[in-house]
Amino acid sequence: ETGVTQSPTHLIKTRGQQVTLRCSSQSGHNTVSWYQQALGQGPQFIFQYYREEENGRGNFPPRFSGLQFPNYSSELNVNALELDDSALYLCASSLDRGNYGYTFGSGTRLTVV
Amino acid sequence: AQSVTQPDIHITVSEGASLELRCNYSYGATPYLFWYVQSPGQGLQLLLKYFSGDTLVQGIKGFEAEFKRSQSSFNLRKPSVHWSDAAEYFCAVALSGGYQKVTFGTGTKLQVIP
Repeated sequence: ETGVTQSPTHLIKTRGQQVTLRCSSQSGHNTVSWYQQALGQGPQFIFQYYREEENGRGNFPPRFSGLQFPNYSSELNVNALELDDSALYLCASSLDRGNYGYTFGSGTRLTVV
Repeated sequence: AQSVTQPDIHITVSEGASLELRCNYSYGATPYLFWYVQSPGQGLQLLLKYFSGDTLVQGIKGFEAEFKRSQSSFNLRKPSVHWSDAAEYFCAVALSGGYQKVTFGTGTKLQVIP
């Protein structure tokens, strides 16, 4: 098992900019979910992708978007960054939609200034 | 809407002492229930999960949790805490079926003193 890797580990962006965060899922895992974890909070569900299609979405605006690729990698894109977007972004993969055995990456710490 | 409450923000225990972290959920049906642990600068690691069946669930690292339907609770326990258990612990719930939206509590930070 290769685990879940995320890049970059840390990132600083200016308000209004756009950012792309990357995740490489565990091999064979066809489901990937993204979470936002603000400081002192639990992770909040952004969305989930299953076989390259969005399969569910939390309470996040459309400027949060994603992609999933056939090679088990995925991206989280955030447009028009706001200060409140500063958080740890976590990627989690699982074997299938019905399998809740998430494997989490270590996250990308995004700071918006 | 489903919600998870972890009433203790911070807990301090002595090494070797027992531990119980509280978790209550609010949902119309019995959801799937989880406990995760997060060390500083790390992602989350699944300790254990409950879907159905035996209400006492064994997990990794010597942790266990008990589901009590009447109290809507899923408390995490460990009989003897080790210094390496110091971390933040999250209780989480999910709907059965559909997509895997997991709702997390706000976490309990565990400090272990020698």
